[in-house]
Amino acid sequence: KNEVEQSPQNLTAQEGEFITINCSYSVGISALHWLQQHPGGGIVSLFMLSSGKKKHGRLIATINIQEKHSSLHITASHPRDSAVYICAVRGGGADGLTFGKGTHLIIQP
Amino acid sequence: DSGVTQTPKHLITATGQRVTLRCSPRSGDLSVYWYQQSLDQGLQFLIQYYNGEERAKGNILERFSAQQFPDLHSELNLSSLELGDSALYFCASTPSWGSSYNEQFFGPGTRLTVL
Repeated sequence: KNEVEQSPQNLTAQEGEFITINCSYSVGISALHWLQQHPGGGIVSLFMLSSGKKKHGRLIATINIQEKHSSLHITASHPRDSAVYICAVRGGGADGLTFGKGTHLIIQP
Repeated sequence: DSGVTQTPKHLITATGQRVTLRCSPRSGDLSVYWYQQSLDQGLQFLIQYYNGEERAKGNILERFSAQQFPDLHSELNLSSLELGDSALYFCASTPSWGSSYNEQFFGPGTRLTVL
């Protein structure tokens, strides 16, 4: 069974700061997902990665398969980025996702 | 809007009762996943269906069951409800299964409260 660890659990930063959230996992995977969950509860898929790096707007996600580690970066953070960010991994085949406990991010104006 | 719909949004019921949660995947998606999010366990994978057939089981209790119908909507049935079943239940859909490259699109969730 894959163990997914995220750090930090909680992060409070000032608007404009560069944010990094880390995720590590214990067993080889076929894909890693970064998800965003707002206080209302809905989950939005931000990235799906199997190697390298992806960028979407102010968000950047990287993955190092050898080190079993991924990072999510937010540049020029804004209060609307305040949410819970969840890392999830998927093995091969038809299995569902295994989730980290999430990072609760608060960006203060 | 992910294109995945779930009904109802909220459900309040009593212990011992049975409820049915419904999920309609994105148009064209054949695979549906059910997840449970509780305060103590976080997000957990329950079960996956593909084109009407069960494909994978996660931490689904024996009191819970699911099915996927010919029109591809799915239902999650929860019976003999306990206080600990109170949670957010999400479904997600993907175009196929077994592919490493399938992004999962999540529905808005059903919040179940068992009193």
